[in-house]
Amino acid sequence: GAVVSQHPSWVICKSGTSVKIECRSLDFQATTMFWYRQFPKQSLMLMATSNEGSKATYEQGVEKDKFLINHASLTLSTLTVTSAHPEDSSFYICSARSAGGRETQYFGPGTRLLVL
Amino acid sequence: EDQVTQSPEALRLQEGESSSLNCSYTVSGLRGLFWYRQDPGKGPEFLFTLYSAGEEKEKERLKATLTKKESFLHITAPKPEDSATYLCAVTSDYKLSFGAGTTVTVRA
Repeated sequence: GAVVSQHPSWVICKSGTSVKIECRSLDFQATTMFWYRQFPKQSLMLMATSNEGSKATYEQGVEKDKFLINHASLTLSTLTVTSAHPEDSSFYICSARSAGGRETQYFGPGTRLLVL
Repeated sequence: EDQVTQSPEALRLQEGESSSLNCSYTVSGLRGLFWYRQDPGKGPEFLFTLYSAGEEKEKERLKATLTKKESFLHITAPKPEDSATYLCAVTSDYKLSFGAGTTVTVRA
């Protein structure tokens, strides 16, 4: 139980294009989903928190206009990196917290983004 | 602000050589302490949640314990497949604060 999927797992794009990453909770309903970014050999950095049906809350220093988050249902959240540039290249990981559970977050497998 | 410090940064073990990882934390009102395992190029895999001092949880060769200031992850008779980075995180609200992780390498 508590499986979270992400799609795509790998994406390579040209500078200036937009990329959408999907995060799905497969066997539970998630009222809250989180988006993280991880640089090589570093720990996870929280980018934003999204609650189903409401606007995402972004961490300080994260550009909300560049990283668009939509949490349209209890099982799906999307992160769109708009006008991507090479510095946006990173490992993006989502997590979901069960609607009926406590504080535990279950993580997806991650999406590797490379912007050329 | 919640803070988490993990030690050691790296741990090299021989297969079967038991050891412990440390996670020290400061938090205003602990609502949960979490252990995750992360393999290279993958997302963290949930291992344990601990809620209060004195609590212990076990899963196969792993055992997590919690005091008011720290948590330990004990690895008993590790196998090469236990090689990974182990992450500790705490929460006092809804966000997780992560430590830098301990990278464990188990040699056959």
